Amino acid sequence: DAGVTQSPTHLIKTRGQQVTLRCSPISGHKSVSWYQQVLGQGPQFIFQYYEKEERGRGNFPDRFSARQFPNYSSELNVNALLLGDSALYLCASRKGQGASNEKLFFGSGTQLSVL
Amino acid sequence: GDSVTQMEGPVTLSEEAFLTINCTYTATGYPSLFWYVQYPGEGLQLLLKATKADDKGSNKGFEATYRKETTSFHLEKGSVQVSDSAVYFCALSEGASKIIFGSGTRLSIRP
Repeated sequence: DAGVTQSPTHLIKTRGQQVTLRCSPISGHKSVSWYQQVLGQGPQFIFQYYEKEERGRGNFPDRFSARQFPNYSSELNVNALLLGDSALYLCASRKGQGASNEKLFFGSGTQLSVL
Repeated sequence: GDSVTQMEGPVTLSEEAFLTINCTYTATGYPSLFWYVQYPGEGLQLLLKATKADDKGSNKGFEATYRKETTSFHLEKGSVQVSDSAVYFCALSEGASKIIFGSGTRLSIRP
């Protein structure tokens, strides 16, 4: 079975542009989460979606938005890009909403560089 | 808010050495605790977890015990291998949706 897949793997944008990152969860997984990992730091939670509804949001500005589609895939959108948005963006999926004993599976990420 | 503090790296050890990576946490509730590992060129993956106080998580020779009295979850391995070279993240669950990660510890093992 395929794992969590993300596209594109790498992306270069300039300040002020908008970007859309895509994620396909593992088959059967209904929950998708997004994390931002700045170089040298741990991942930071951005959003969680479950059954197409937002179930959690981290401390990120409104420039960041996401959605989940009926097939449980997800997109993360970032508007008005800043240099500080340069990071590895990770998508993770799990079957349910997030019980403590539920394993989270991560994709390999999209490396975004903002010039 | 909740937070995780882990030992700064990089940590460099010789093969077969004993490994400890320290992790302490601050939480208002009773979170689950995790160690994740990021091997070079690969995605983040769960190494082990513990869901309540005094639980011991273990996997691939690694162990960590959930210590509520010291708010710690130190990662240990008795004999490391070159293949253990990676970045290790201590983490906790906050609510049902959010995982809070530490800043990561890079481990390098010399043959």
